[in-house]
Amino acid sequence: AQSVTQLGSHVSVSEGALVLLRCNYSSSVPPYLFWYVQYPNQGLQLLLKYTTGATLVKGINGFEAEFKKSETSFHLTKPSAHMSDAAEYFCAVSDGGSQGNLIFGKGTKLSVKP
Amino acid sequence: NAGVTQTPKFQVLKTGQSMTLQCAQDMNHEYMSWYRQDPGMGLRLIHYSVGAGITDQGEVPNGYNVSRSTTEDFPLRLLSAAPSQTSVYFCASSYSLLDQTQYFGPGTRLLVL
Repeated sequence: AQSVTQLGSHVSVSEGALVLLRCNYSSSVPPYLFWYVQYPNQGLQLLLKYTTGATLVKGINGFEAEFKKSETSFHLTKPSAHMSDAAEYFCAVSDGGSQGNLIFGKGTKLSVKP
Repeated sequence: NAGVTQTPKFQVLKTGQSMTLQCAQDMNHEYMSWYRQDPGMGLRLIHYSVGAGITDQGEVPNGYNVSRSTTEDFPLRLLSAAPSQTSVYFCASSYSLLDQTQYFGPGTRLLVL
């Protein structure tokens, strides 16, 4: 069975500082990995995804994530936080196969201080 | 393109009442799904559909029914609402089960008293 663990339910950074949101997964098959963002009172939208190929994935709004198979990790980073990045971020995993439903982590709420 | 739409945005029910949450998409997506979001729990899959006429259970299906008579629509029915079903419900769609780039609706906030 697949699972996702997001370390830290709440992360706070200063504007301009590095953003690092951690995600570890468990999967018995090569995973498809996703980061979604949820702004207050809205649905989720895709930030980026990894399926195959290059392990460093670039997404929208300056975010990127690196798939590290040896560490079973898919951490999300952004070099310089902006106030508009304040939101909740969800990591998700899928096996990309016949049981390809997404399994979501519990989310990390990012706060950005001026 | 309206994307994924959900109605209503907010609903208050009494215990035992029934209701249907509506979901529609205009992207001709084969895969549609329903999630519930509770604080500290992330999103949990309730039911999903890989095409018209085909539905299956997710992680937390008890108390909910679905049907998929058309590609566009995927309603979620609460047969007898319980306070434990107080939650935010999201509908999502993607091109196929293999392509899990999901597009989410704006959500329905449900309060069961």
